[in-house]
This record gives sequence, structure tokens and C-alpha cells, in this order.
Amino acid sequence: DGGITQSPKYLFRKEGQNVTLSCEQNLNHDAMYWYRQDPGQGLRLIYYSQIVNDFQKGDIAEGYSVSREKKESFPLTVTSAQKNPTAFYLCASRPRLAGELFFGEGSRLTVL
Amino acid sequence: GQQVMQIPQYQHVQEGEDFTTYCNSSTTLSNIQWYKQRPGGHPVFLIQLVKSGEVKKQKRLTFQFGEAKKNSSLHITATQTTDVGTYFCAGQSGTYKYIFGTGTRLKVLA
Repeated sequence: DGGITQSPKYLFRKEGQNVTLSCEQNLNHDAMYWYRQDPGQGLRLIYYSQIVNDFQKGDIAEGYSVSREKKESFPLTVTSAQKNPTAFYLCASRPRLAGELFFGEGSRLTVL
Repeated sequence: GQQVMQIPQYQHVQEGEDFTTYCNSSTTLSNIQWYKQRPGGHPVFLIQLVKSGEVKKQKRLTFQFGEAKKNSSLHITATQTTDVGTYFCAGQSGTYKYIFGTGTRLKVLA
């Protein structure tokens, strides 16, 4: 089945540690996105990538980093510089022409 | 920066009542999309509106895009318990960037 797979689903980390969230898609989509969702709030854009080896900062990129070495993969690293990393992280993808965003099931990160 | 606001933030309705959520952008949008997120789930695409003044219907759901392409609404007629969730609008700014609204959380009381 085609879709977007995010892992891990739940993750706990200690303060000061970096953590990488995985996002893989087999939809052959060009664009990929990372959003952050806090309880009871909307989705805020962290980074997005239009094509391989290219990505742009969203509205809340500070403390995060990404890479896009393969079309299928767009991992997100939450660094120790991110002041308040506890949140629900959603990865999405979209085909080249305008259309809907397809979301993964999300990764819930808790910093202890 | 660009902002997309939604009102109301929360809405509780009795089953069978109607529900409307409104979305307003600080800038003109090329198109607008609507998503539904069930509790504990991920957003799922509902519809996309592109033309100024466009109205689209999906069964009990009616979507409108404003004439100035800066606002939109979603109306649900005769809500059911299956309508529970958070409804988001998302405005497309440029070719690839989407800005999501703050969302409206709907609870339907049986």
C-alpha cells in the first residue's frame, strides 16, 4: 500500500539530547513537509522540501534540522537547541502539481 | 508573517444541529484546503477550493471560498457523532507552502 510512514510513534528523550524522527513515503511525491502540533493548537510549519537536496525553513525552524538525500525520505532532527520540543510531529507529502497533503500518523515526542 | 485564523476555537453542538467554522487569511491565497483530524489521529484532506466565490458540497458539508480569496467557511448540516474532530483550513501561499489555520474543535453531543 502507498503511504507515509513515520517512526517512532512515541519517543522519550532527556533534555540536551538530539533526536531524529523518520519520515518515509512511497507515493513518489516530490514535496515533503514537517509540521509541529501542540495540544489544542494548529499545525505550524517547520521545514519543507520541494525536491531532493533542497529544503526551506518554515515558520518555526529554529532548533530543528532536516535533510533530503532521497526522494522517499525526509528525516527531522530535533536538536538540543529547541527550547520546548515536546509536541506531536507530523510529516506530509504532496505530488509536484498542486494538490492535497498526505499525512503520516505522526510522532509524539516527550522530553523528560 | 502570513497568518490564518479560524473561529470559533471550540464548538459544542447537539446532534442534529448545524455547525460552521470560519477561516480568515491575512493575505490573498491561491487556493484553500480543508482537513479533518479525528481525536488522536492525523489530518485527512476533505476538499480544495481554487476559484473566487467557489462553493462546493460533499453530502452534509458545504465549503465556500470568499470573493477576495482571503476567507473561507465550512458548514455542516445536521451534525452527527461521526463529525467529531478538529477542522483545519490550510491556505496555499506560493507553489509549495501551506499555512494551517488554528483549527476548530467540534464536539457533538448525542
